[in-house]
Amino acid sequence: SAVISQKPSRDICQRGTSLTIQCQVDSQVTMMFWYRQQPGQSLTLIATANQGSEATYESGFVIDKFPISRPNLTFSTLTVSNMSPEDSSIYLCSGGGSYYNEQFFGPGTRLTVL
Amino acid sequence: SQQGEEDPQALSIQEGENATMNCSYKTSINNLQWYRQNSGRGLVHLILIRSNEREKHSGRLRVTLDTSKKSSSLLITASRAADTASYFCATDNQAGTALIFGKGTTLSVSS
Repeated sequence: SAVISQKPSRDICQRGTSLTIQCQVDSQVTMMFWYRQQPGQSLTLIATANQGSEATYESGFVIDKFPISRPNLTFSTLTVSNMSPEDSSIYLCSGGGSYYNEQFFGPGTRLTVL
Repeated sequence: SQQGEEDPQALSIQEGENATMNCSYKTSINNLQWYRQNSGRGLVHLILIRSNEREKHSGRLRVTLDTSKKSSSLLITASRAADTASYFCATDNQAGTALIFGKGTTLSVSS
């Protein structure tokens, strides 16, 4: 199994600012993803982080709001831009192999926007 | 969009009892995974069952999959207070890569 860490674990931010969340995997993984979990809700996929190319975004999520980088097979960042209180959520990254393999999750970043 | 739907939404039991959670999904899948989340923290992977498997065990966990009914169940036997958490089922998306999560079942085990 892969061990995934995220930084920061939590943050309180002001409206209009941006926050970059880092995700580090202890081994190379083929796929990395970013999810959002709004309060009391389930997880929603934001995007697939593609190594060396632009991320693939799900419907309702755009690159200008959630720019993602993935410079190598073990690291990715998600930026939440121009934040509003509606962005208050837990953001989780995950990593795994192909769809035959399990996906493992980081501990999440709890974001509160005032 | 959500693929899996768990039921019940909430379940309260006593320690030592068994807990059963169900998950239904809409489209064909390659595999189905169950996760546990403690109080808004990260997700812990519990078990993966492939579409050609019918049953899988891991410790006190038993997962079944019925592809004809598009449903799965998670059974936790001899529950403990530490099993108190939210449980989610997740299926692969159309591309067969990322996961689509159900709404989850909140399990409360009291001692």
